[in-house]
Amino acid sequence: AQSVAQPEDQVNVAEGNPLTVKCTYSVSGNPYLFWYVQYPNRGLQFLLKYITGDNLVKGSYGFEAEFNKSQTSFHLKKPSALVSDSALYFCAVRDGGGYGQNFVFGPGTRLSVLP
Amino acid sequence: KAGVTQTPRYLIKTRGQQVTLSCSPISGHRSVSWYQQTPGQGLQFLFEYFSETQRNKGNFPGRFSGRQFSNSRSEMNVSTLELGDSALYLCASSLTSGLGINIQYFGAGTRLSVL
Repeated sequence: AQSVAQPEDQVNVAEGNPLTVKCTYSVSGNPYLFWYVQYPNRGLQFLLKYITGDNLVKGSYGFEAEFNKSQTSFHLKKPSALVSDSALYFCAVRDGGGYGQNFVFGPGTRLSVLP
Repeated sequence: KAGVTQTPRYLIKTRGQQVTLSCSPISGHRSVSWYQQTPGQGLQFLFEYFSETQRNKGNFPGRFSGRQFSNSRSEMNVSTLELGDSALYLCASSLTSGLGINIQYFGAGTRLSVL
């Protein structure tokens, strides 16, 4: 079975500082990994995905994520945080050997960027 | 290109009633997935439809059902509503289903309150 853990409910960071939102996963096959962001009263917006290839994936709004197979992690990073980055972030996984679009989402991490 | 459209945005129902939610995917997208989002359980996969057929189903009771029309629009129905069904229901569309990796694009959701 697939599962995703986001060990931090809340991450606080000062504007201009680097940020990291952590994600670890468990799948039986090759992992397909995604990050989404949710703003208040909005649906989820796609940030980036890892399917194969380079372990460092670049996405929207200056975000990037590093895939680490040995640690089964896919942490989201940004070199310099903005107040507007404050939102709820979800990591999601789909088993590469699976069929269909039934993604498993982590519980979410609330990011607060303080001015 | 228009995004995923969910209607209505807000619904208030009473216990025992039934409700139908609607989702219009991005033009050209043929896969529609539904998720339930609650503070306690997070994002949980309900089901996925592709070419008018249910492809995958999450772990929800039979009171939750859905369908997809030939134009890829999808509806989700919940019968005999319970207080615990209060949630944000999100619809996501993607180009195809199957083993291919398709980004899911989410609608803004329908917030259902059961009184």
